[in-house]
Amino acid sequence: GNSVTQMEGPVTLSEEAFLTINCTYTATGYPSLFWYVQYPGEGLQLLLKATKADDKGSNKGFEATYRKETTSFHLEKGSVQVSDSAVYFCALRQMDTGRRALTFGSGTRLQVQP
Amino acid sequence: GAGVSQSPSNKVTEKGKDVELRCDPISGHTALYWYRQRLGQGLEFLIYFQGNSAPDKSGLPSDRFSAERTGESVSTLTIQRTQQEDSAVYLCASSSGTTNEKLFFGSGTQLSVL
Repeated sequence: GNSVTQMEGPVTLSEEAFLTINCTYTATGYPSLFWYVQYPGEGLQLLLKATKADDKGSNKGFEATYRKETTSFHLEKGSVQVSDSAVYFCALRQMDTGRRALTFGSGTRLQVQP
Repeated sequence: GAGVSQSPSNKVTEKGKDVELRCDPISGHTALYWYRQRLGQGLEFLIYFQGNSAPDKSGLPSDRFSAERTGESVSTLTIQRTQQEDSAVYLCASSSGTTNEKLFFGSGTQLSVL
């Protein structure tokens, strides 16, 4: 079946540091890939997505590239801010089956210190 | 409403009691999902509703769990004879049901079974 594996947190960085949160997946066929973010006290919200190999999703300075050869979708940001402190979830959806539910990873907590 | 609304936000119950959790999706959203998030773990898919189609119940962990949805509006998740392992945050999400898979999440119901 489908699965998503994320690096364990928490990840603690100083402001303006470079961020990488690793995500790898297992799926049959051709999934779409997503990053969702949950800020403190709020619901999960879509951060970015990529629907096919070599696509790069980007939003709010975050980027992730769909790498089919390594089955990865690592999240990166060049310079984090305190306001980026949140829990980040990698997810996939199998596009070539009828199953519409997203499969999520376990989440990675990011703490950015001033 | 402006977003996905879940109630109650917190529920404490005794082992063996039944509980009902409510989700009000965004108006006009045809797709509705329930997920469960145990402490420190990822989101676990429970059930998916899409319009008038038969729901995808493949994620329900046991026959103690059931869910209903009235048309394209409110959904209730019912857990009968609650057990301590049911303690988790129960998240509801809705989407427009098109190929755009942006899910909008509620803030969840924190269920604690004593």
